[in-house]
Amino acid sequence: DQQVKQNSPSLSVQEGRISILNCDYTNSMFDYFLWYKKYPAEGPTFLISISSIKDKNEDGRFTVFLNKSAKHLSLHIVPSQPGDSAVYFCAASTIQGAQKLVFGQGTRLTINP
Amino acid sequence: NAGVTQTPKFQVLKTGQSMTLQCAQDMNHNSMYWYRQDPGMGLRLIYYSASEGTTDKGEVPNGYNVSRLNKREFSLRLESAAPSQTSVYFCASSETATNEKLFFGSGTQLSVL
Repeated sequence: DQQVKQNSPSLSVQEGRISILNCDYTNSMFDYFLWYKKYPAEGPTFLISISSIKDKNEDGRFTVFLNKSAKHLSLHIVPSQPGDSAVYFCAASTIQGAQKLVFGQGTRLTINP
Repeated sequence: NAGVTQTPKFQVLKTGQSMTLQCAQDMNHNSMYWYRQDPGMGLRLIYYSASEGTTDKGEVPNGYNVSRLNKREFSLRLESAAPSQTSVYFCASSETATNEKLFFGSGTQLSVL
């Protein structure tokens, strides 16, 4: 049972446009959500997070939106840059924290010049 | 600043062979983790160590053992490798077990023939 799903394995966006990566979850006990970014031959790196008490969190070009009723979160990147080309993982956790962190399958984002 | 260091980066084993993956962090983090990444499966937790002296099973512990050697080091051992253990392995650390912001190593590509 995949509790965190990223249904788009890949996404291609033109440089300068908006990239929207989506993530759905099934466990209503999840209360903290994160996005990680991964370049080839490197480990994932933390990008941005959001608590379930919020519906939006912004950090520069990156914004994460949370829709608890739909059990859906999305990552917006505006404007998209070639260096944003990477695999993006969403992850969710309960109050138990990192030992119960559940990752989605990842979405490969390609930014075209 | 090295962060999380994993060795080796690549390894090829024959079925039945054993090996140990090494991981060390220099951030004085209390918690450490071992994940595996398989195509279409995201990152799955194998074992974790919430603090020095403790280890616990994650989602997919079968066929693996771990040792938290000290606060810095957390090793993963495959006693009798199987082709199903072909994967990319990531070590990660966090300040505490309740902190979901993980810092990952660069990964070990393991092939079991």
